[in-house]
Amino acid sequence: QVQLQESGPGLVKPSETLSLTCTVSGGSISGYYWSWIRQPPGKGLEWIAFIYYTGNTNYNPSLKSRVTISVDTSKNQFSLRLNSVTAADTAVYYCARYSGSPSTWFDPWGQGTLVTVSS
Amino acid sequence: QSALTQPASVSGSPGQSITISCTGTSSDVGGYNYVSWYQQHPGKAPKVMIYEVSNRPSGVSNRFSGSKSGNTASLTISGLQAEDEAEYYCNSYTSIRTYVFGTGTKVNVL
Repeated sequence: QVQLQESGPGLVKPSETLSLTCTVSGGSISGYYWSWIRQPPGKGLEWIAFIYYTGNTNYNPSLKSRVTISVDTSKNQFSLRLNSVTAADTAVYYCARYSGSPSTWFDPWGQGTLVTVSS
Repeated sequence: QSALTQPASVSGSPGQSITISCTGTSSDVGGYNYVSWYQQHPGKAPKVMIYEVSNRPSGVSNRFSGSKSGNTASLTISGLQAEDEAEYYCNSYTSIRTYVFGTGTKVNVL
């Protein structure tokens, strides 16, 4: 079955750029929508963005000015970049695939990766 | 976009039924049948329990059911079990082609 794995630095300095990659295994990235979701420690889930395998994207309005999501079908990966980070961006970051037709629910999810913003 | 509103916690005894509400607006919950529910145990990734308001994915217990009325969606857990103790989040598609999660509800099994 399809599995997702997040990767990237666990520590980022304030004002710098957070970069994460989600590697999809057990299936193709083509034909699906993909998403990034985050969860600050002890808090709720926040949807960040989605991307279709063709490159069509949309972003959470509250993060749109700082976020870029991209896809690399040749590597079966999609990525997240969040610039000008602050301590408020400290969170577990999850990647997930959309399921269904239309694609409106998240399954499966990656295990999540904790990113801490600190100097 | 504002998070959907959920009660902070709901409690019940084993065997009882509980219901979690998820209130949004006509631009999200009320406007589309694209509400999903997720269960999250501590330190784990969320797991989908209900999609498109009332559909259960394969493998999810039929003790979980979903519904919607107006701008409020609901998740009902019947025959409450100890393993159901977790955090639950709703999610909805919105009119601007984004998605929004609920504030989260901690289910306590007494």
